[in-house]
Amino acid sequence: AQRVTQPEKLLSVFKGAPVELKCNYSYSGSPELFWYVQYSRQRLQLLLRHISRESIKGFTADLNKGETSFHLKKPFAQEEDSAMYYCALSGSRGGGSNYKLTFGKGTLLTVNP
Amino acid sequence: DADVTQTPRNRITKTGKRIMLECSQTKGHDRMYWYRQDPGLGLRLIYYSFDVKDINKGEISDGYSVSRQAQAKFSLSLESAIPNQTALYFCATSDPPGAAQYFGPGTRLTVL
Repeated sequence: AQRVTQPEKLLSVFKGAPVELKCNYSYSGSPELFWYVQYSRQRLQLLLRHISRESIKGFTADLNKGETSFHLKKPFAQEEDSAMYYCALSGSRGGGSNYKLTFGKGTLLTVNP
Repeated sequence: DADVTQTPRNRITKTGKRIMLECSQTKGHDRMYWYRQDPGLGLRLIYYSFDVKDINKGEISDGYSVSRQAQAKFSLSLESAIPNQTALYFCATSDPPGAAQYFGPGTRLTVL
């Protein structure tokens, strides 16, 4: 079974402060991890994926297999970062290449001026 | 992502009515998904389809059915709507490798 845990439902920081959104996962194989962002009243958008190791909008995330974590970080939060953030895990079905995503319950980030 | 569209965007209906939500995509992806989003519960998978002939139940399929009419179209039906099916419904598509999913704008369904 695959499971994603985002321990914080709400996270509030001030503009310019560092921010870290936590994500822990449970999966027996080699997972693929993603972060999605949902701005107010909009669709979910892919923010980043661990295999690309890129930085989007100043956010980064490192897969730590030892701690089974994929925390999302940004050194200086901006007000426009206020949104709902979802961590998601993709695993295989039957050992093949058929994947489906399991989402965490999300963390609502508020960046205050 | 304008490549994934959903109709209707909002719908209010009554208990017991049959409802169909439609999803279309122009991304050419084989895989399509239906999720519901509820406050505090995140996204939960209802059904998914890896191609036109492959349809699978997700974690909360009871009370729902789907139809994959073509590679580009995947419909979700509520045969007899009930109030606890009030939610925001999202369609998504994906294509290997990478398995990233691309979401539609959502349909807000209210069952009275």
